[in-house]
Amino acid sequence: GAVVSQHPSWVICKSGTSVKIECRSLDFQATTMFWYRQFPKQSLMLMATSNEGSKATYEQGVEKDKFLINHASLTLSTLTVTSAHPEDSSFYICSADSGTEYQETQYFGPGTRLLVL
Amino acid sequence: AQKITQTQPGMFVQEKEAVTLDCTYDTSDPSYGLFWYKQPSSGEMIFLIYQGSYDQQNATEGRYSLNFQKARKSANLVISASQLGDSAMYFCAMRELSSQGGSEKLVFGKGTKLTVNP
Repeated sequence: GAVVSQHPSWVICKSGTSVKIECRSLDFQATTMFWYRQFPKQSLMLMATSNEGSKATYEQGVEKDKFLINHASLTLSTLTVTSAHPEDSSFYICSADSGTEYQETQYFGPGTRLLVL
Repeated sequence: AQKITQTQPGMFVQEKEAVTLDCTYDTSDPSYGLFWYKQPSSGEMIFLIYQGSYDQQNATEGRYSLNFQKARKSANLVISASQLGDSAMYFCAMRELSSQGGSEKLVFGKGTKLTVNP
């Protein structure tokens, strides 16, 4: 299957700082990437859909100004958690589309664990 | 309304035995895809198997098979010959054809935690 990397895998930061998470498709081009958030023992919650060269589409209830998404190239999308607070502590995971059809598989990165102190 | 329902929060199975993880879905779209992902404690989401709505045969991938019953809207995952390394969370997901073109998001169930006992 296709490979998606995510960096960093772990980040601990102080409250009020911003944290950038990178998601890369290593061996394929992804016009669309997705950002999810997962709390312990819960399912994945889609935060936003990141489209190369255009603005991200955010899910209802997700603050656009707090979770900045940039999809600058066909292989890279970034999520920046601005002015992070302890309640932003979570597991963030991205996925990349291998195609545009419904039967195409989304491949996931390994995830980033964020702890805000 | 919940589109993907996984009714088993947890399942236990003896090593080397088979286990079925349930998944039902709700959609009015004739074109959709069903996916199963495995999430071990490390957190990564591992793609296991895919079933398309128009596929005539049930999907199989090694020890994984998908029991697709379209009329009942169920897509149960069957794991044969369970191994200790199969212990993980398992998520069922559905993707529908986007009416606007382009990519359509995956909708996940709440997951089932599988524990394989030695």
